[in-house]
Amino acid sequence: QKEVEQDPGPLSVPEGAIVSLNCTYSNSAFQYFMWYRQYSRKGPELLMYTYSSGNKEDGRFTAQVDKSSKYISLFIRDSQPSDSATYLCAMSADTNAGKSTFGDGTTLTVKP
Amino acid sequence: DAGVTQSPTHLIKTRGQQVTLRCSPISGHKSVSWYQQVLGQGPQFIFQYYEKEERGRGNFPDRFSARQFPNYSSELNVNALLLGDSALYLCASSLDGGLNYGYTFGSGTRLTVV
Repeated sequence: QKEVEQDPGPLSVPEGAIVSLNCTYSNSAFQYFMWYRQYSRKGPELLMYTYSSGNKEDGRFTAQVDKSSKYISLFIRDSQPSDSATYLCAMSADTNAGKSTFGDGTTLTVKP
Repeated sequence: DAGVTQSPTHLIKTRGQQVTLRCSPISGHKSVSWYQQVLGQGPQFIFQYYEKEERGRGNFPDRFSARQFPNYSSELNVNALLLGDSALYLCASSLDGGLNYGYTFGSGTRLTVV
């Protein structure tokens, strides 16, 4: 079993919808939780990260971490066609993102 | 400012051959990490270097090696290529390996082994 499991998708939503992307993990040592966006033929782009449990908001994006359930989510409000991409969750035991463990990604399509 | 630069963008190699991939980090960044991303999967950590020293190694065979140069650029070498080594190889750079000052990926090198 993988340390990080991500809802496989693909996910297709109409423009303006609220999107929920989710990951579960098994390693209790994970303290930092990251979300990346990856467009086709590009490298991942760090959207946001959170430390330990709680919520963090950045514009239309909200990251949520529940360490007791080992469950993290990324919510996208008012989704746009430009949000169409693969979203990857990643986790690490410390602030050293260089050794992160990634999920396999969820591909999102936002239809106009 | 230029982002993380990886070269070449694509290459095709034959089983058993050796390959060298190159990465130039963002100016001022001293840490470089290498990842392998197989189609349909998330990136898997291979190596991290900071200040020219290896800081970590993922679960990859000894056929994989890397180094970091005084200008903080890095090379990833893979010997005795297997078909399963076909993947997108990503390099990420940061000031110190951490998240606080930015963590940026390049667009990767697409390696196909035939």
